Amino acid sequence: QSVLTQPPSASGTPGQRVTISCSGSSSNIGTNYVYWYQQLPGTAPKVVIYRNDQRPSGVPDRFSGSKSGTSASLAISGLRSEDEADFYCAAWDGSHWVFGGGTKLTVL
Amino acid sequence: QVQLVQSGAEVKKPGASVKVSCRPSGYSFNSYYIHWVRQAPGHGLEWMGIIKPGANDRTYAQKFQGRLTMTRDTSTSTVYMELSSLRSEDTAVYYCVREDSRNAFDIWGQGTMVTVSS
Repeated sequence: QSVLTQPPSASGTPGQRVTISCSGSSSNIGTNYVYWYQQLPGTAPKVVIYRNDQRPSGVPDRFSGSKSGTSASLAISGLRSEDEADFYCAAWDGSHWVFGGGTKLTVL
Repeated sequence: QVQLVQSGAEVKKPGASVKVSCRPSGYSFNSYYIHWVRQAPGHGLEWMGIIKPGANDRTYAQKFQGRLTMTRDTSTSTVYMELSSLRSEDTAVYYCVREDSRNAFDIWGQGTMVTVSS
């Protein structure tokens, strides 16, 4: 069981907006930054959001992140077929990194 | 091109050890921390530990204490992850990952599949 809790699945149709939640505790999300990683099938993960709400260069502005208290969210607007992937949240937990269990995003 | 190049797939018997290498290229070896993250088939990401090549310092996840050893060879600019007393649950893809100045895991190795089977 993962320290950070994510829904196992999410879905949307092309053009829609979807959100993925990530719930933690005061020792991780409550006091540290949240990061989001996208893992396309058969590939290594890639960072899409860092420090709660910052987007690396090259990541479309359709991706956005937010954090409130001990929870965080990743939102993807204007959903596209190529967004279909597994998404993981991550945070530092005082002495180690913790990940969410992952959310499989399906574009219907 | 900035990349992390890992060693090839391994098949081990239960109780054995495995040593996976990770060679950074395209940047200064001592300048960034390297993490190891694993992913069992059909499962999520699991953080194993961190090594700081410039300081020869490392921290391991409590789960792997006593079984995990991370080392670095400055002469070849290579880091290593060795896991001992392997069991079937250790079957996974093992990634070495660079942590950048934003504390993001920005560069991932290609992954090394380790299969533990009798």
